[in-house]
Amino acid sequence: QVQLVQSGAEVKKPGASVRVSCKASGYTFTGYHLHWVRQAPGQGLEWMGRINPSAGDTNYAQNFQGRVTMTRDTSISTAYMELSRLRSDDTAVYFCARGFFDYFDYWGQGTLVTVSS
Amino acid sequence: QSVLTQPPSASGTPGQRVTISCSGSSSNIGSNTVNWYQQLPGTAPKLLHYNNNQRPSGVPDRFSGSKSGTSASLAISGLQSEDEADYYCAAWDDSLIGYVFGTGTKVTVL
Repeated sequence: QVQLVQSGAEVKKPGASVRVSCKASGYTFTGYHLHWVRQAPGQGLEWMGRINPSAGDTNYAQNFQGRVTMTRDTSISTAYMELSRLRSDDTAVYFCARGFFDYFDYWGQGTLVTVSS
Repeated sequence: QSVLTQPPSASGTPGQRVTISCSGSSSNIGSNTVNWYQQLPGTAPKLLHYNNNQRPSGVPDRFSGSKSGTSASLAISGLQSEDEADYYCAAWDDSLIGYVFGTGTKVTVL
């Protein structure tokens, strides 16, 4: 069965960077785009961007251009999302999700990133 | 910031029908398909409807989606207590070249 398992919670100081991983199993990793979505406490969903695990090409939401980097390691079927220059309003749960055409059919469990001095 | 607008809340008693609207524009709903996600408290979102009106396997037919022009809606008929959750519409946006979500609607079963 398809599974996306994310790394554990992180606590970071303002200005630092965080890297969240998303390990895929149960399907061909390079066959589907991997998206990242975040949700601030009590707020809605916000799309951050996506990576094509096959070629490694990415596209990022305008709000995160210059601060986010999405990469992948096909040898271990894992995608990564790194967010730099963290601010307090980056405190959120970060989800990875498998893209199928233009919708997300499987989601990771989420990773809480807390930014606090 | 969300580009798609939903009512913040909706409610009904068990067995009633509840409808959630989603308003967008020509660059998103008007030119792409709409998808709906259900998020139960403390869990990851789950795909509820895709391609405007298609249900993934396992989703009850009590949930039905539709789209007209730059708006879409999700109807829940025969409301049940387990339907209490947040619901989000979503679509690709050709102008933003990105995926956009609705503001979210919290459904309460009275």
